[in-house]
Amino acid sequence: DAGITQSPRHKVTETGTPVTLRCHQTENHRYMYWYRQDPGHGLRLIHYSYGVKDTDKGEVSDGYSVSRSKTEDFLLTLESATSSQTSVYFCAISESTRGGRDTQYFGPGTRLTVL
Amino acid sequence: AQRVTQPEKLLSVFKGAPVELKCNYSYSGSPELFWYVQYSRQRLQLLLRHISRESIKGFTADLNKGETSFHLKKPFAQEEDSAMYYCALINTDKLIFGTGTRLQVFP
Repeated sequence: DAGITQSPRHKVTETGTPVTLRCHQTENHRYMYWYRQDPGHGLRLIHYSYGVKDTDKGEVSDGYSVSRSKTEDFLLTLESATSSQTSVYFCAISESTRGGRDTQYFGPGTRLTVL
Repeated sequence: AQRVTQPEKLLSVFKGAPVELKCNYSYSGSPELFWYVQYSRQRLQLLLRHISRESIKGFTADLNKGETSFHLKKPFAQEEDSAMYYCALINTDKLIFGTGTRLQVFP
């Protein structure tokens, strides 16, 4: 497995509380991504980063924010968690987005339950 | 809009049978397409990409621009092929995934 870790791996929280998920890489890859995986929806991109302090929105960014202050860390924050954000969250990294170096490597996932 | 469609949520076959997981796409331009796989209790990982035109674990996929398809095929399924399969295409800096097809291979 590529050097990608996610923390926590499991979390149960209550509606309205803030939650931060962390993705850490040791590969020095430029691109980092946050996805959520839901039955019937597959993987949907939440936010991504193309460098330190450079981020952009994905398909389902409402209710989420991200930060990347270091190459190796990409944080996903749910400002006020809702039950619709119960999901499995995956982080991914890639060296580039073209030219054969665009393979995305995925973390192990974080299972988040919002009660 | 760029889109990837996997019409089958579940595909069940017996060991030794041929397998075809369907993927259709809509994309303006020349698409770069991929198949990713998630085995039970493992991370999502790249299976193959259309540019390399290689066969991985006996799977192949041919890009058909006329039918806008990128179906994944294997002539003889094995039990260890049971997994979740996602078709994806690159759109600028992002991957767009389909909703996935679960392949079950029975002994």
